[in-house]
Amino acid sequence: KQEVTQIPAALSVPEGENLVLNCSFTDSAIYNLQWFRQDPGKGLTSLLLIQSSQREQTSGRLNASLDKSSGRSTLYIAASQPGDSATYLCAANTGNQFYFGTGTSLTVIP
Amino acid sequence: DAEITQSPRHKITETGRQVTLACHQTWNHNNMFWYRQDLGHGLRLIHYSYGVQDTNKGEVSDGYSVSRSNTEDLPLTLESAASSQTSVYFCASSSGLTYGYTFGSGTRLTVV
Repeated sequence: KQEVTQIPAALSVPEGENLVLNCSFTDSAIYNLQWFRQDPGKGLTSLLLIQSSQREQTSGRLNASLDKSSGRSTLYIAASQPGDSATYLCAANTGNQFYFGTGTSLTVIP
Repeated sequence: DAEITQSPRHKITETGRQVTLACHQTWNHNNMFWYRQDLGHGLRLIHYSYGVQDTNKGEVSDGYSVSRSNTEDLPLTLESAASSQTSVYFCASSSGLTYGYTFGSGTRLTVV
């Protein structure tokens, strides 16, 4: 069974800092990996989807990388803002379902 | 715009009652999924469907059932609600294996 781990569980940074969120998975046979953002009491908003053949994807201040061989993905957030405060979840797609990590709770301090 | 809608947003029910949570998507996606989200466990798959008349069990399917009579809807039924089923339930859909998920806004279910 695929196990997805996100470290750290919580992170607090001052506004303007660049930061990296980590995601690791145990089974490298994935179709793709997706990063989500979840605000308190809300649903999941898709941020980036990386296919297994890709190394990275970018959207605005967000950049996600994927290293299948090592079972790792990172989400890089540039010039963080208070509005980036949320929980960030990664999910690895094995073919019949996505397996989710428990998330990193990010707080950006003004 | 296409969307995926869950109803109700909040539900309180009594132990032993049957409860149905609705999920409706207008993306015309073949694949639909139900997850529950609990502190310390993250999101766990309950049931999923790859198309009309297709349903499959996920990791935590005991006490739940689904049916898929059309492309748009995948209702989730709790046959006899238990306090352990108090959770936030999310429905998701996708076009296929190489596509990502789109999520609904969730249903917060409390079983008392």
